[in-house]
Amino acid sequence: EPEVTQTPSHQVTQMGQEVILRCVPISNHLYFYWYRQILGQKVEFLVSFYNNEISEKSEIFDDQFSVERPDGSNFTLKIRSTKLEDSAMYFCASSRDRGNGKNIQYFGAGTRLSVL
Amino acid sequence: GDSVTQMEGPVTLSEEAFLTINCTYTATGYPSLFWYVQYPGEGLQLLLKATKADDKGSNKGFEATYRKETTSFHLEKGSVQVSDSAVYFCALVNTGNQFYFGTGTSLTVIP
Repeated sequence: EPEVTQTPSHQVTQMGQEVILRCVPISNHLYFYWYRQILGQKVEFLVSFYNNEISEKSEIFDDQFSVERPDGSNFTLKIRSTKLEDSAMYFCASSRDRGNGKNIQYFGAGTRLSVL
Repeated sequence: GDSVTQMEGPVTLSEEAFLTINCTYTATGYPSLFWYVQYPGEGLQLLLKATKADDKGSNKGFEATYRKETTSFHLEKGSVQVSDSAVYFCALVNTGNQFYFGTGTSLTVIP
């Protein structure tokens, strides 16, 4: 069964460093998403991406975040200058469809980011 | 804004016990409701969904009914197994593509 894959599973970085989290969405999906979950808190939406541009983003997704689809398969989340509060589990998701709030999003296993 | 409130965990049950995990939501209009499950080391997997009031989603013995009058979507299973041990997330999506999740409820089933 097709699945969303994320790498690495755990990333440790120093505060102020840049990190890139990588995701390979399901191959025939057109819509891509990033979510994050700070330990003990809710899974929060960060951004959605379609047709090589951001379609929605939350207030969490500020200028230090960026997303890119550098080739036909990868979807990346870059954090330019990490802060301690960026420590969280980051989930990538993809969906085939959009609209009417009824699309099913398929999630990866997540990347745990630890900022020291 | 839209939000989901989920029963706090962790929950520990004996095998074959009855499971209920409560979920209530706040949303305008008519959202779709979902339960996702995360097994250790894996991603969030769709367990079941309901797209309109009074719909019942079901899968693998789990059920949840979309109750608009109580704004609830409680997850139930009549007889849990050890293999059901996982974290369960209630979620909604409204007119956009943005999912709103609860905090997750960790379930451990002991033999």
